[in-house]
Amino acid sequence: QKEVEQNSGPLSVPEGAIASLNCTYSDRGSQSFFWYRQYSGKSPELIMSIYSNGDKEDGRFTAQLNKASQYVSLLIRDSQPSDSATYLCAVKNSGGYQKVTFGTGTKLQVIP
Amino acid sequence: DAGVIQSPRHEVTEMGQEVTLRCKPISGHNSLFWYRQTMMRGLELLIYFNNNVPIDDSGMPEDRFSAKMPNASFSTLKIQPSEPRDSAVYFCASSLDGNSPLHFGNGTRLTVT
Repeated sequence: QKEVEQNSGPLSVPEGAIASLNCTYSDRGSQSFFWYRQYSGKSPELIMSIYSNGDKEDGRFTAQLNKASQYVSLLIRDSQPSDSATYLCAVKNSGGYQKVTFGTGTKLQVIP
Repeated sequence: DAGVIQSPRHEVTEMGQEVTLRCKPISGHNSLFWYRQTMMRGLELLIYFNNNVPIDDSGMPEDRFSAKMPNASFSTLKIQPSEPRDSAVYFCASSLDGNSPLHFGNGTRLTVT
């Protein structure tokens, strides 16, 4: 089992729709979770951090965390063509030091 | 805030040559990470440092790879000898503390022919 799993996509949504990106992780003790966006040929950039169960909203983005199910998701409301990118889920492993493991990413395509 | 600075941006070398990648983390960040990204395997953690000390190098693929962090503001990743399968984008990232997110540099695209 991979430490962090994501559907590779591509996930295609029409402009203005809600895009839902999902991620599961294997380390039950993980406490810190991150979503990154990566445009082609660029470096990953942080979108959201979430540490507690529930929802966290920032503008058009909402991160959702369910530690019991070992599941974290990212919702993008009112999707725009500029949101087309690969979205990476990252999990900080339990333990004293901060090893951060990334999923392979979900490619999102927003169709105008 | 200058961000994480990596050099060079692109490196093309021949098989067997030594390659050195460089990274300057964000000032004040106490952890530094080296990742390799390929289409097939995604982002793979190679090694990470905490307060300049290597913590986990289990991701370093072979003895041909080595990394150092002589001080808080500089790290190197060296490949000697390089092989075509080392071709990838290498990212350096730093973070402020144990719960903070990673901030990535622009990466070095390595091509070994």
